[in-house]
Amino acid sequence: GDSVTQMEGPVTLSEEAFLTINCTYTATGYPSLFWYVQYPGEGLQLLLKATKADDKGSNKGFEATYRKETTSFHLEKGSVQVSDSAVYFCALNRDDKIIFGKGTRLHILP
Amino acid sequence: DAGITQSPRHKVTETGTPVTLRCHQTENHRYMYWYRQDPGHGLRLIHYSYGVKDTDKGEVSDGYSVSRSKTEDFLLTLESATSSQTSVYFCAITPERGATDTQYFGPGTRLTVL
Repeated sequence: GDSVTQMEGPVTLSEEAFLTINCTYTATGYPSLFWYVQYPGEGLQLLLKATKADDKGSNKGFEATYRKETTSFHLEKGSVQVSDSAVYFCALNRDDKIIFGKGTRLHILP
Repeated sequence: DAGITQSPRHKVTETGTPVTLRCHQTENHRYMYWYRQDPGHGLRLIHYSYGVKDTDKGEVSDGYSVSRSKTEDFLLTLESATSSQTSVYFCAITPERGATDTQYFGPGTRLTVL
């Protein structure tokens, strides 16, 4: 069945470092792809999404490109801030349901 | 903000007792979902609903039941709580049906079963 695999954390970076969180997926057809973020004590919120191959989603300095040839949707940010510390979930949409990866915890040190 | 509230926000209960969690939305959205979040597992779908009295099972539905008698409320019931059901429970809604849809999440309920 469809699935999402993302790099295990925690990931610890210094402020202003470059961030990459890897995500690959297995799916039939061409699902929409998402990154959600969960700040401490809160529910998940959508960070960005892409709906077809080669689309780039972006928000708050984060970017991810839908790569059909490598079945990937890696999350990147050029310069992270302490406020980016959170758990990040890669996900895909299938038949009115969303399938989530296990999440990657990100710690940013000042 | 999709106007989603969950109650209670925290609950401690004992093994074998029934527990009902409530998800309430103010936007009249048709699709609602219940997830549980556990370390190492991410979010797993328990049950979902396509409308009033129209529900279906997710991947981890054993031990849980749901009801939706009104569009705005989606109830999750643990008939006889077990320690393995200690988790954080999230409700979510999807405004419209389609392959590009985004889900919006409530703030979560932390349930501890002793």
